[in-house]
Amino acid sequence: RKEVEQDPGPFNVPEGATVAFNCTYSNSASQSFFWYRQDCRKEPKLLMSVYSSGNEDGRFTAQLNRASQYISLLIRDSKLSDSATYLCVVNMPYGGATNKLIFGTGTLLAVQP
Amino acid sequence: GAVVSQHPSWVICKSGTSVKIECRSLDFQATTMFWYRQFPKQSLMLMATSNEGSKATYEQGVEKDKFLINHASLTLSTLTVTSAHPEDSSFYICSASRGGRRATRELFFGEGSRLTVL
Repeated sequence: RKEVEQDPGPFNVPEGATVAFNCTYSNSASQSFFWYRQDCRKEPKLLMSVYSSGNEDGRFTAQLNRASQYISLLIRDSKLSDSATYLCVVNMPYGGATNKLIFGTGTLLAVQP
Repeated sequence: GAVVSQHPSWVICKSGTSVKIECRSLDFQATTMFWYRQFPKQSLMLMATSNEGSKATYEQGVEKDKFLINHASLTLSTLTVTSAHPEDSSFYICSASRGGRRATRELFFGEGSRLTVL
C-alpha cells in the first residue's frame, strides 16, 4: 500500500462546479497535512495546511479524518485558473525524531470553459 | 516573490558528463534543504536531506556517490549528478523550510531543474 494515495484523475469539470479530492495515508502517527498545487512543469506551491477541525480559505475547504486516515479538499465555484495538479502531502514519522514529508502522486484537475 | 531559487532551470547533457544544480534560499538562512526528484506523472520523491556543514542524509536507494550534495553555506546547497545517464533524466527540485530542520512547516520550493541526458 502506498504511504499517501490519491485518485490521479483527471477530473474534468465545468467552470462554476464544485469538485472534491480525496487522499488516504497509511501511517496513523502522521502529524501534519498539507495540500500543494503544482502547475504543469512548475514547482509545487502550498495551497493550504489541513487542520483537525477542518479549515476554509475562500473557495477551498480542507478536512481531516484521523480515524479513517483520510484528507479531503473541496473546491467551490471552480475557475479556469484552478486547473492544476493537487498534491496531498503528509508529514510522517520516520524513525526516532525524524519526520519526512511524503507526497501523493497528485490529482489532475481540468476546469473547462 | 521567490524565496528559494534554483539554477539552471533546464539542462541537456551528454551521457557520462556531470551536472551541478544550485539551490539558494534568498531571504533566509536554511540549515536544512531537501532535494526531490519527480519523474513524469509520478510524485515527488525525496532523494536526500542536505545539512549545512555536515554530510547529507540520503534516502534508501539513492546512491550518494552518484548524487553529490554540498551544503557549504546557510543559503546554498548544490546537487551534482555525476556520470549522468539517460535514466537520470528527470525534474529535480530543491526545497527549504524557514522553520529549521524539521519538515513540519511550509516548504518553499525552487523552480526546479529539468535534466535531459542524451
